[in-house]
Amino acid sequence: AQSVTQPDIHITVSEGASLELRCNYSYGATPYLFWYVQSPGQGLQLLLKYFSGDTLVQGIKGFEAEFKRSQSSFNLRKPSVHWSDAAEYFCAVGGGTASKLTFGTGTRLQVTL
Amino acid sequence: NAGVTQTPKFRVLKTGQSMTLLCAQDMNHEYMYWYRQDPGMGLRLIHYSVGEGTTAKGEVPDGYNVSRLKKQNFLLGLESAAPSQTSVYFCASRNGPLYEQYFGPGTRLTVT
Repeated sequence: AQSVTQPDIHITVSEGASLELRCNYSYGATPYLFWYVQSPGQGLQLLLKYFSGDTLVQGIKGFEAEFKRSQSSFNLRKPSVHWSDAAEYFCAVGGGTASKLTFGTGTRLQVTL
Repeated sequence: NAGVTQTPKFRVLKTGQSMTLLCAQDMNHEYMYWYRQDPGMGLRLIHYSVGEGTTAKGEVPDGYNVSRLKKQNFLLGLESAAPSQTSVYFCASRNGPLYEQYFGPGTRLTVT
């Protein structure tokens, strides 16, 4: 069965500092991997996705993520965090004909000024 | 395009009442999904559909039914609501395995 672990429930960083959110997955085949962001009271917005090819993927809002098959990880990074990045971030893995996604439990990011 | 819309946005039910949540998408997507989001548990898949007239169970289907009579609509029904079904419900759609899921704004349901 597929699963996703986001080990950090809550992270606080200062504005301008770098950010790395961890994501580990379990999947029996080549995974499709996603990072979504959710602002309070809102739906989920896709930040970036990995299907194949280059293991470093670029997304919106200056985010990037690196797929490491040997570590079963897909960590999200940003070099310099802005106060508007405060939100909850979800990693998800999926694939197969039904394209079902399994989500992690999320990491809440707080940004201090 | 409106994308994915959900009706209603908020609802309060008493235990035992029934209701239907409507999800509509105008992107001609084949695949549609219903999730529930609870604090500390991420999103969990309730039911999904891979095309008009088809539905399948997800991770937490008990207490819910769905129908996909039209390609653009995916209905989620609660026949007899329970307090454990208090949650935020999200609908999503996608065009196929190599595409992202697009999410609606959510429905906040409280069962008292």
